[in-house]
Amino acid sequence: EAGVAQSPRYKIIEKRQSVAFWCNPISGHATLYWYQQILGQGPKLLIQFQNNGVVDDSQLPKDRFSAERLKGVDSTLKIQPAKLEDSAVYLCASSVGMGETQYFGPGTRLLVL
Amino acid sequence: DQQVKQNSPSLSVQEGRISILNCDYTNSMFDYFLWYKKYPAEGPTFLISISSIKDKNEDGRFTVFLNKSAKHLSLHIVPSQPGDSAVYFCAAGAGSYQLTFGKGTKLSVIP
Repeated sequence: EAGVAQSPRYKIIEKRQSVAFWCNPISGHATLYWYQQILGQGPKLLIQFQNNGVVDDSQLPKDRFSAERLKGVDSTLKIQPAKLEDSAVYLCASSVGMGETQYFGPGTRLLVL
Repeated sequence: DQQVKQNSPSLSVQEGRISILNCDYTNSMFDYFLWYKKYPAEGPTFLISISSIKDKNEDGRFTVFLNKSAKHLSLHIVPSQPGDSAVYFCAAGAGSYQLTFGKGTKLSVIP
């Protein structure tokens, strides 16, 4: 069974630029999550989707971050404009349903200069 | 306010010995707990979980113990192997709500 796929794996941008990350969850997984992991910290949930609907986006900085899962399968997370403090690893995870075990992708490491 | 705490940033253990990783939580609503292992440049990998109705769960060399009264859980790895060297994250959830992660403990198993 294929795992969670993410791209790109690495991205370097300058502050005020925009960037987008892509995630393809495990086939059949209805729930998709985007996490931000800053160096030395645990992953922090940014947004959770159930199929194509948002379940929780309370910790998403909505002035600059946006995410969508239009067809209930793959998802895109965008940052516009990026700030220095957005430098982190962005992890995508999926689960069969809410409250089920989450499986993570390899992450996208973002560096904002 | 950190609801899930891993107070030891790092731990070194000799190969073949037991590794014990600890995790404390403050939210009494948490009803399931997971441990994830993370190698550099990879995403976290699910290791083992436990529901609040149990106090122990075993999977091969890995055992998780839960002490609800103390709001404490621990992961035991016996025997420890060099391939176990990684960062271990404790995570807690309540129903279908989001997981809350600790900051992680870096385990080094010395051959």
